[in-house]
Amino acid sequence: GESVGLHLPTLSVQEGDNSIINCAYSNSASDYFIWYKQESGKGPQFIIDIRSNMDKRQGQRVTVLLNKTVKHLSLQIAATQPGDSAVYFCAGTIYNQGGKLIFGQGTELSVKP
Amino acid sequence: EAQVTQNPRYLITVTGKKLTVTCSQNMNHEYMSWYRQDPGLGLRQIYYSMNVEVTDKGDVPEGYKVSRKEKRNFPLILESPSPNQTSLYFCASSLKPIGYEQYFGPGTRLTVT
Repeated sequence: GESVGLHLPTLSVQEGDNSIINCAYSNSASDYFIWYKQESGKGPQFIIDIRSNMDKRQGQRVTVLLNKTVKHLSLQIAATQPGDSAVYFCAGTIYNQGGKLIFGQGTELSVKP
Repeated sequence: EAQVTQNPRYLITVTGKKLTVTCSQNMNHEYMSWYRQDPGLGLRQIYYSMNVEVTDKGDVPEGYKVSRKEKRNFPLILESPSPNQTSLYFCASSLKPIGYEQYFGPGTRLTVT
């Protein structure tokens, strides 16, 4: 079946460094992807999204890259801060299937001061 | 304040005793969705609704029911809860399923003994 998966369950970075969190998906028909951040004890929070007609999208300190050839996307966080410590999920959907979302398992990012 | 609310936040119940978890949003969103979150499995979609009276199955719908009689409310019903439904549940909403930020509720931690 369809799957969306993250490569590493945990990632530890030094404060001020850049972080890269990876995600792979199995269904080549997936055409919309979202990254979420979940802090301990809270619900997921939208970070950034990207459609399949783009290969890069930038937000505030975050960049999402999409490589449709190898079905891979990544979230880059610039100048990582302690407040970025959280679990990060990618999710994908197929446009003509409307609201069905498939989530990856999450990568826990720890930022060392 | 724009928000998604869920009630109750915590619930301990026994096998077979019907329960309802309520979800309400005040943003006039068309799309609403329920997820469960389990360690090592990430977020999995249970049911979603594209609009009033329109609901559809997600990845793990077995043992759950939903209804969408009003735009703002999307209750999750467990007719006969079982221990394997012990989980953390999140409700979410967005204006549309694609291209719009999805807002999550604070979560409901359910334990079925």
